[in-house]
Amino acid sequence: AQTVTQSQPEMSVQEAETVTLSCTYDTSESNYYLFWYKQPPSRQMILVIRQEAYKQQNATENRFSVNFQKAAKSFSLKISDSQLGDTAMYFCVFILNNAGNMLTFGGGTRLMVKP
Amino acid sequence: KAGVTQTPRYLIKTRGQQVTLSCSPISGHRSVSWYQQTPGQGLQFLFEYFSETQRNKGNFPGRFSGRQFSNSRSEMNVSTLELGDSALYLCASSLDGWNSPLHFGNGTRLTVT
Repeated sequence: AQTVTQSQPEMSVQEAETVTLSCTYDTSESNYYLFWYKQPPSRQMILVIRQEAYKQQNATENRFSVNFQKAAKSFSLKISDSQLGDTAMYFCVFILNNAGNMLTFGGGTRLMVKP
Repeated sequence: KAGVTQTPRYLIKTRGQQVTLSCSPISGHRSVSWYQQTPGQGLQFLFEYFSETQRNKGNFPGRFSGRQFSNSRSEMNVSTLELGDSALYLCASSLDGWNSPLHFGNGTRLTVT
């Protein structure tokens, strides 16, 4: 079974600054995907960024980037130039390749961006 | 294109009753998956349906069941409700479920009293 751990229940950052959210996971498999999803107060989960485990290059998506350390089983999310609209719960998510949509979620990090 | 639609948005039920939640996926999506979100247990996978067949199942008791219709709409049913079933139930759809992007609905908030 896979587990995902987010060690920071809450974080805050000033608008325009940079913040890093941590995530570690445990699996004996080698072929998997990792995601960061955000859940704003509207409750709808929104995909932020996705990383394929077989790719060594870290994924980036505009102001969002990840630091994927496969050997250490670490997958952190960096948000640059934080905006008020980034305020949300952030979930680190693991899925085995070809496991359909059987996602394993971390406990979440509540991020508050302050003006 | 319309997004994933979950109905109802809010529901209040009494212990022992049963409830049915509905999820309409994005047009053309054949995979529908369900997740339970609670403050204590976080987000947990319930089950996934693809082309009317249950493809994966999470670790939940048999009181939780689901189905998918030929138009890909899905329902989940919880029988003999318990207080601990109070949760936000999220539905998500994807084209084929094989790592294609997931699109979530806004969820159904179930309160059991």
